[in-house]
Amino acid sequence: DAGVTQSPTHLIKTRGQQVTLRCSPKSGHDTVSWYQQALGQGPQFIFQYYEEEERQRGNFPDRFSGHQFPNYSSELNVNALLLGDSALYLCASSRGLAGDTGELFFGEGSRLTVL
Amino acid sequence: QKEVEQDPGPLSVPEGAIVSLNCTYSNSAFQYFMWYRQYSRKGPELLMYTYSSGNKEDGRFTAQVDKSSKYISLFIRDSQPSDSATYLCAIAGAGNMLTFGGGTRLMVKP
Repeated sequence: DAGVTQSPTHLIKTRGQQVTLRCSPKSGHDTVSWYQQALGQGPQFIFQYYEEEERQRGNFPDRFSGHQFPNYSSELNVNALLLGDSALYLCASSRGLAGDTGELFFGEGSRLTVL
Repeated sequence: QKEVEQDPGPLSVPEGAIVSLNCTYSNSAFQYFMWYRQYSRKGPELLMYTYSSGNKEDGRFTAQVDKSSKYISLFIRDSQPSDSATYLCAIAGAGNMLTFGGGTRLMVKP
């Protein structure tokens, strides 16, 4: 049973560029959430997708956008990259929106470095 | 004040020791509390979750929640070098939106 898969694992961009990160959820899961984890800090919630719609959003600017496809996979797009966007971007999947059990399954992340 | 506070460590203990990891949180409305373990260069993995106050045990791990003092604890008995990782506490908001603490780095020395 494949878990949450993310691509690419590492990438380097320069300021002002745009980046797209991809995520495939765990089999049987239909909800995808994205988190940003800066070095030495805990993950911060970016947004959540369910039924191809953004359902919740954290305190991130509009430069961060996303999409969910009919097969439940998801993309995270970041425009006009800043040095401060350098972080590990984590995708997490879960089943439905019901309940607040925190049973999220995380991928290994995409490490973005902005120069 | 951050919603979830956690001592960053690092916490260094000898193999076999009992480890106590702690978090405090500010919003009393939360009901679900989680502990995630994160190895270096890996994604977090869910260790345990508890609902409301009380204890939950799973093997060498015990999670404890005291809602009256807004305090979350994770105890690890007979700690092993393989337990060396960063431990993240988290609280679950509506729709499984998690708020994490900053993580505590644990080192268990053989």
